[in-house]
Amino acid sequence: GAVVSQHPSRVICKSGTSVKIECRSLDFQATTMFWYRQFPKKSLMLMATSNEGSKATYEQGVEKDKFLINHASLTLSTLTVTSAHPEDSSFYICSARSLGQGKETQYFGPGTRLLVL
Amino acid sequence: QKEVEQDPGPLSVPEGAIVSLNCTYSNSAFQYFMWYRQYSRKGPELLMYTYSSGNKEDGRFTAQVDKSSKYISLFIRDSQPSDSATYLCAMSGDNYGQNFVFGPGTRLSVLP
Repeated sequence: GAVVSQHPSRVICKSGTSVKIECRSLDFQATTMFWYRQFPKKSLMLMATSNEGSKATYEQGVEKDKFLINHASLTLSTLTVTSAHPEDSSFYICSARSLGQGKETQYFGPGTRLLVL
Repeated sequence: QKEVEQDPGPLSVPEGAIVSLNCTYSNSAFQYFMWYRQYSRKGPELLMYTYSSGNKEDGRFTAQVDKSSKYISLFIRDSQPSDSATYLCAMSGDNYGQNFVFGPGTRLSVLP
């Protein structure tokens, strides 16, 4: 079945550094991937839609220069949190859209917990 | 066997019907169970959050967790067309998102 992985699963960094999170679709090609942010016991907030080979589409209120998204191939999208600050500490989840047998399904990664000190 | 199984649907019901959505899982380490509702082009909205086995009710929604059977359910009473969405179950081993796993989602259509 379709599997989406994220790396790293947890990361602790110092304020001011940049952190890259990878999202991979392991056994299917995903032309579209989504990046979400989740606070404890809250809904997932859609940050951006990542399309292979083109610029990401950011949701209102999400800083493009802060959260850099690259979708270089059909199986990999990366989210880079630049100059991270403690308020960026959160749980980041990606998902990948699979189109098979005429049915569209979204598969979620396991998430990456970011803690900025 | 997938870690979390959920019937993708689509599930179509008439307005006013009681809807039953279910997930099964294989990892007995899961302690926290969640149901999300996702409308097209939106992020999943947290509907219910439960810990361990038991029932939890919130308005028209009732979540049930049976850890012995590794089975969770979401019931929607008096379903409305506005309930039409994709419903995702999710579960985690701790309250900090460790080993966080989503089901693939069930697409629900409530017909007026």
